[in-house]
Amino acid sequence: DGGITQSPKYLFRKEGQNVTLSCEQNLNHDAMYWYRQDPGQGLRLIYYSQIVNDFQKGDIAEGYSVSREKKESFPLTVTSAQKNPTAFYLCASSMGGTSYEQYFGPGTRLTVT
Amino acid sequence: SQQGEEDPQALSIQEGENATMNCSYKTSINNLQWYRQNSGRGLVHLILIRSNEREKHSGRLRVTLDTSKKSSSLLITASRAADTASYFCATDASGGSNYKLTFGKGTLLTVNP
Repeated sequence: DGGITQSPKYLFRKEGQNVTLSCEQNLNHDAMYWYRQDPGQGLRLIYYSQIVNDFQKGDIAEGYSVSREKKESFPLTVTSAQKNPTAFYLCASSMGGTSYEQYFGPGTRLTVT
Repeated sequence: SQQGEEDPQALSIQEGENATMNCSYKTSINNLQWYRQNSGRGLVHLILIRSNEREKHSGRLRVTLDTSKKSSSLLITASRAADTASYFCATDASGGSNYKLTFGKGTLLTVNP
């Protein structure tokens, strides 16, 4: 089954704790992305990676960190520096840039109290 | 700021009717994409239209692009209850990163049986 997976589906954390969201793809895609979605809003780009061992900040990178050590994996860490971390987080992958469609995972809903 | 903005924010129709959603954007683009999101799920790609194309079809979907007006429309014909979802347009920026897509806030379509 080819696709992109995110785990867990729901995540609860206390304020002040770092938390890492998992994203794995077996589509052999070079590019991977992390987005944040707040209720009634569109997606905002947190980080993206064009290729292994390389990543760039998106529009709202503050308080987040990523790594891309393997082609298949692009984990996102939400640090305690992120002021408002409660949101729906979506991971996506694509063959390349914006001339290709993006394939999305099912998302992780993070609640920080 | 948002590159793409969908209109209307919400649309409610009866099964069998057509649904039209619009997207306006601010800067020149290379590509425009439409995605669908069922509640609480990841996004699914619908159609990609390039800046040199004016219209594309895929099944019951028809997308138009008017670069002079910086706008696009998504038409769903003969709608079904299963079409109930949020629909997002996503644009890149000509001259910008080849990997960054900017999403609008979406149109929530409800198709009543």
